[in-house]
Amino acid sequence: DIQMTQSPSSLSASVGDRVTITCRASQSISRYLNWYQQKPGEAPKLLIYAASSLQTGVPSRFSGSGSGTDFTLTISSLQPEDFATYYCQQSYGTPGFTFGPGTKVDIK
Amino acid sequence: QVQLVQSGAEVKKPGASVKVSCKASGYTFTDYYIQWVRQAPGQGLEWTAWINPKTGGTNYAQKFQGRVTMSGDTSISTAYLELSRLRSDDTAVYYCARGKRSDGFDIWGQGTRVTVSS
Repeated sequence: DIQMTQSPSSLSASVGDRVTITCRASQSISRYLNWYQQKPGEAPKLLIYAASSLQTGVPSRFSGSGSGTDFTLTISSLQPEDFATYYCQQSYGTPGFTFGPGTKVDIK
Repeated sequence: QVQLVQSGAEVKKPGASVKVSCKASGYTFTDYYIQWVRQAPGQGLEWTAWINPKTGGTNYAQKFQGRVTMSGDTSISTAYLELSRLRSDDTAVYYCARGKRSDGFDIWGQGTRVTVSS
């Protein structure tokens, strides 16, 4: 199975900060990489698909980049509603579409 | 509108089975995969299975092999996840989501809480 790692596992940031989260796959997944945001008690929300495509309705402060094994999610200017946990998921491999362990973003 | 509506919470004893449903509406059911993802209390997201409703093809996480069955009924646009020989560590919220490999999974159900307890 393809293993996904994320760093950091958590971070503290202030409103207005630029935040970067990285995701690494154990083998090349081309650009089959998606990013989700999850708030407590809610279902995950798709932010970025195919490594860098912004899902409809998602603010442009979110961006994604990367290909192969290394990927990045960037929030250009953190807003109060962005405090949440972020997960990457690969949709390349068989059998599974594994998730990363998550990155919790909280208020400094 | 496009939505996935899941069945209600379940409480099961160890060793029992559970079957959770996910009813799709607002789009053509056979145009998108359905995946199941679970989240144990305080833990991250764990991919469990997917089904291609058009072909009936399925894939399961290796850790669930032999215990999980995913199926779909295209006549009522509903996908099912059945997990057998339940253990206490199967206690989790189970989510279904629709999507495509190339486009991510954009619509999620509300989640179904499954509690396994003696």
